[in-house]
Amino acid sequence: SAVISQKPSRDICQRGTSLTIQCQVDSQVTMMFWYRQQPGQSLTLIATANQGSEATYESGFVIDKFPISRPNLTFSTLTVSNMSPEDSSIYLCSVDVGQLNTEAFFGQGTRLTVV
Amino acid sequence: AQKITQTQPGMFVQEKEAVTLDCTYDTSDPSYGLFWYKQPSSGEMIFLIYQGSYDQQNATEGRYSLNFQKARKSANLVISASQLGDSAMYFCAMREGQPEGGGYQKVTFGTGTKLQVIP
Repeated sequence: SAVISQKPSRDICQRGTSLTIQCQVDSQVTMMFWYRQQPGQSLTLIATANQGSEATYESGFVIDKFPISRPNLTFSTLTVSNMSPEDSSIYLCSVDVGQLNTEAFFGQGTRLTVV
Repeated sequence: AQKITQTQPGMFVQEKEAVTLDCTYDTSDPSYGLFWYKQPSSGEMIFLIYQGSYDQQNATEGRYSLNFQKARKSANLVISASQLGDSAMYFCAMREGQPEGGGYQKVTFGTGTKLQVIP
């Protein structure tokens, strides 16, 4: 199992500004993931962050809008840049060893409201 | 095509009663894993229960059980003796088997069911 600490837990931000979300894991993990959950929706994968390489973004997400850092095997950040009200969502980091019978572990989530 | 389908956007259940949350899935892979998560209003994702495609018996974890009907491709979550604290969003998810050539297989989530427990 993995214990994930994500912060901030919530924030209210002005449009046009940026917010950096941090995710700390209590053990070394190869793969970390960032999800967005828009209001009333399911989870959508933004990108996969592997240590020592560029993040891999899913269709519809770009690095300029959601830059990700992965400086070591226990830490990652996601920045939501130049925010607009449409970015109001819950953002979740996750670790997942990719094994068939092993669940994905999630941080507590960051509830972002852009005004 | 949707890989995970949850047809109940919202459900109500009386406290202390049992409730079934539906989930159907679509895969041609013989190896897969099915997961259920609970998401309270706080936003965190809490893992509840896992069922493997080769498991012979339905998974159970305390008040949670999974009604796994492989031929029908359904993996319904049953919550017994509902409690007020069970009010939350519930997501069904699936991970398919190892892709050819190796690599990582992502988890796919359904659209969720909002459960409200009535006192």
